[in-house]
Amino acid sequence: QKEVEQNSGPLSVPEGAIASLNCTYSDRVSQSFFWYRQYSGKSPELIMSIYSNGDKEDGRFTAQLNKASQYVSLLIRDSQPSDSATYLCAVRTDRGSTLGRLYFGRGTQLTVWP
Amino acid sequence: GAGVSQSPSNKVTEKGKDVELRCDPISGHTALYWYRQSLGQGLEFLIYFQGNSAPDKSGLPSDRFSAERTGGSVSTLTIQRTQQEDSAVYLCASSSTDRVGEQYFGPGTRLTVT
Repeated sequence: QKEVEQNSGPLSVPEGAIASLNCTYSDRVSQSFFWYRQYSGKSPELIMSIYSNGDKEDGRFTAQLNKASQYVSLLIRDSQPSDSATYLCAVRTDRGSTLGRLYFGRGTQLTVWP
Repeated sequence: GAGVSQSPSNKVTEKGKDVELRCDPISGHTALYWYRQSLGQGLEFLIYFQGNSAPDKSGLPSDRFSAERTGGSVSTLTIQRTQQEDSAVYLCASSSTDRVGEQYFGPGTRLTVT
């Protein structure tokens, strides 16, 4: 059973456009949600976390969470070529014995072309 | 402050040999995770340590894999009798107790089994 699903892409957008990255998760008791960015050949880095329904904005990034639909998304406004990377969605579910481990999706590859 | 460090950065070993990979988490972080990532693939969870609790070993692919965390800090991932399919980048991450999902990744160890 896949816990976290993302479109693998690649997603290609022109510079200045809005990039929309989507993620669905299977466990309704999931509690917290994260977006990580991974540049080619580098380690993942956390860019956004969201814990409650609605939108959370941080600069050009907006995370959106809808627990009823089990859906979380990341919008990148005014996309730049430097945003080209793989974006990983991660979900934390506290189920006692699992100690609240993080479940990662396989990632969506984003390319922003100038 | 210092981030997560891993050593060695690269390791080439012959099939059948044992290898040890080391992770130094961020000081004060109680949670430590091991993942591996094969070329072009997503993150594969291996094991998760949280404080003094029994680790979540549910991701270890076989009994050739084991991990220890001594004194609540440094961790060692050991792979016995390495196989070619063990070739991957092994990533370590740490997080604080109250922000388990906000993980900070090390630079990884690239393991090549010949």
